[in-house]
Amino acid sequence: AQTVTQSQPEMSVQEAETVTLSCTYDTSESNYYLFWYKQPPSRQMILVIRQEAYKQQNATENRFSVNFQKAAKSFSLKISDSQLGDTAMYFCALVDSWGKFQFGAGTQVVVTP
Amino acid sequence: DSGVTQTPKHLITATGQRVTLRCSPRSGDLSVYWYQQSLDQGLQFLIQYYNGEERAKGNILERFSAQQFPDLHSELNLSSLELGDSALYFCASSAGEEEEKLFFGSGTQLSVL
Repeated sequence: AQTVTQSQPEMSVQEAETVTLSCTYDTSESNYYLFWYKQPPSRQMILVIRQEAYKQQNATENRFSVNFQKAAKSFSLKISDSQLGDTAMYFCALVDSWGKFQFGAGTQVVVTP
Repeated sequence: DSGVTQTPKHLITATGQRVTLRCSPRSGDLSVYWYQQSLDQGLQFLIQYYNGEERAKGNILERFSAQQFPDLHSELNLSSLELGDSALYFCASSAGEEEEKLFFGSGTQLSVL
């Protein structure tokens, strides 16, 4: 069985600063994909970024980037130049070869002025 | 707009009743997932269908059932409702391939009174 662990229930960051969210996972698959989703107060689930496990290069989407450490099974998300609109719950997720998605418990990010 | 349509957006009912939640996946997506999110909780995977067939089952109660029809839309049936069933129910879809992203609908907020 695969697991996804997010050990930080909540993080606070000031506008324009940088925050890093941690995610560790466990899977027996050799080929898989990792995702970060955000859920703002509207409760809509929004895809932030995706990483293919076979790629060593870390994915980047504008102010969002990941640090993927395959051997350590770690997949952290860095939010640079934080904005008030980044306030949301962030979920780390893993998908296996069967298309089964496993989500972590989430990290609440609060961006303060 | 993710392209995944869920109806209704809100549903208020009484204990002991039965309700049906409906989901239309993105055009071309073969895989449909159902998730339950209680207040301040993470995403609990309920069930996954792929092209009409059940593919994976999570923590779905026996009072709950789902199906995916030939036109690929899916329905989640919740019966003998209890107060604890009050939650946000998400439907999500993907093409069914492991590398595909999961796209979420806006959810159905179920309130059992």
